[in-house]
Amino acid sequence: KQEVTQIPAALSVPEGENLVLNCSFTDSAIYNLQWFRQDPGKGLTSLLLIQSSQREQTSGRLNASLDKSSGRSTLYIAASQPGDSATYLCAATDQAGTALIFGKGTTLSVSS
Amino acid sequence: NAGVTQTPKFQVLKTGQSMTLQCAQDMNHNSMYWYRQDPGMGLRLIYYSASEGTTDKGEVPNGYNVSRLNKREFSLRLESAAPSQTSVYFCASSPGQNLATNEKLFFGSGTQLSVL
Repeated sequence: KQEVTQIPAALSVPEGENLVLNCSFTDSAIYNLQWFRQDPGKGLTSLLLIQSSQREQTSGRLNASLDKSSGRSTLYIAASQPGDSATYLCAATDQAGTALIFGKGTTLSVSS
Repeated sequence: NAGVTQTPKFQVLKTGQSMTLQCAQDMNHNSMYWYRQDPGMGLRLIYYSASEGTTDKGEVPNGYNVSRLNKREFSLRLESAAPSQTSVYFCASSPGQNLATNEKLFFGSGTQLSVL
């Protein structure tokens, strides 16, 4: 059964810092891994999707990497801004590809 | 574009009452999902539907029923609400019939449900 873990649970950084959020998963037989952003009281917004055959995906200041063999993914945020403050969730497909299994998220706070 | 629309946004029920959470998507997606989000537990899958007319259980289906009314709509019903069902419920959709097609999941804004 796929299990997804995110470390740390919370992170506070000053504006301008580069930071890394970590995600690990137990079953390497994934189709893809997705990173989402959730603002308080809101739904989830998809940030990046990495297919199992890919090593990384980039969108603006965000870069996500995937290492299937070690069961790890990282989300790198460059030059953080107060507007980046949110909860970031990592999710990996189950073995059948029928659903996404979510981690509990990392709550990021960027201070100006 | 509306995307995924959930109604209602907030609901308070008494134990034993029933209600239906509505979800509709206007993106012509095949797959639809219901998740619940609880503090310290993350998002857990309740039910999903790979296509119109099909539904399957997820991780936490007990106490819930679903209906895929047509391609656009996927409803979640609580027949006899319990305090343990207090949660935030999210509906999501995806273009393919499963996630092996490597397409993103799109979420609604959620329904906050309290069962007293």
